[in-house]
Amino acid sequence: NAGVTQTPKFQVLKTGQSMTLQCAQDMNHNSMYWYRQDPGMGLRLIYYSASEGTTDKGEVPNGYNVSRLNKREFSLRLESAAPSQTSVYFCASSEAGDNYNEQFFGPGTRLTVL
Amino acid sequence: AQSVSQHNHHVILSEAASLELGCNYSYGGTVNLFWYVQYPGQHLQLLLKYFSGDPLVKGIKGFEAEFIKSKFSFNLRKPSVQWSDTAEYFCAVTLNTGFQKLVFGTGTRLLVSP
Repeated sequence: NAGVTQTPKFQVLKTGQSMTLQCAQDMNHNSMYWYRQDPGMGLRLIYYSASEGTTDKGEVPNGYNVSRLNKREFSLRLESAAPSQTSVYFCASSEAGDNYNEQFFGPGTRLTVL
Repeated sequence: AQSVSQHNHHVILSEAASLELGCNYSYGGTVNLFWYVQYPGQHLQLLLKYFSGDPLVKGIKGFEAEFIKSKFSFNLRKPSVQWSDTAEYFCAVTLNTGFQKLVFGTGTRLLVSP
């Protein structure tokens, strides 16, 4: 099993450009998450999907959209990138969204917005 | 709102030294607690978790943590660190009810010198 995979690993964008970060999991998990990691701020939840067909905002959703394409895939879209969105983005999944399940993380996407 | 504090941002130890990383959370209700670790160039992985029962929990690689409810703390300990423990450590909290939305601390970077 590959676990949680993310593409691309690195990306450089210019201000105003758009892009989609892809995430897929092969563990048959129901819940998926997108986080951003910034120096000195830990990880913050952007959006999550409790189950296929549902998405909800997390702590820092502004400037992002998500799509839960199917049970395996959960994408994050930046419609008009801004320098403040320079960060490392992590996708995670868990078997279910209750509080007893471990979240499994992907390797991350390092995004720079110039 | 929930918050998690990790007061030690950077810790430098020699091999065989003992480790204790502090974690305090602010929430008066019932919480579930986690420690995640991120080794250089790798994704986050779970070290240990506490849901209920014995407040002293043991995790992988010789790590343990003690939940002290009266102090709102969940400190991570290891009696003797190794060079391979060099990593960033994150404490995380989620409410005991509802959908799991982890709130992470800002992280502690541990450097173990051989």
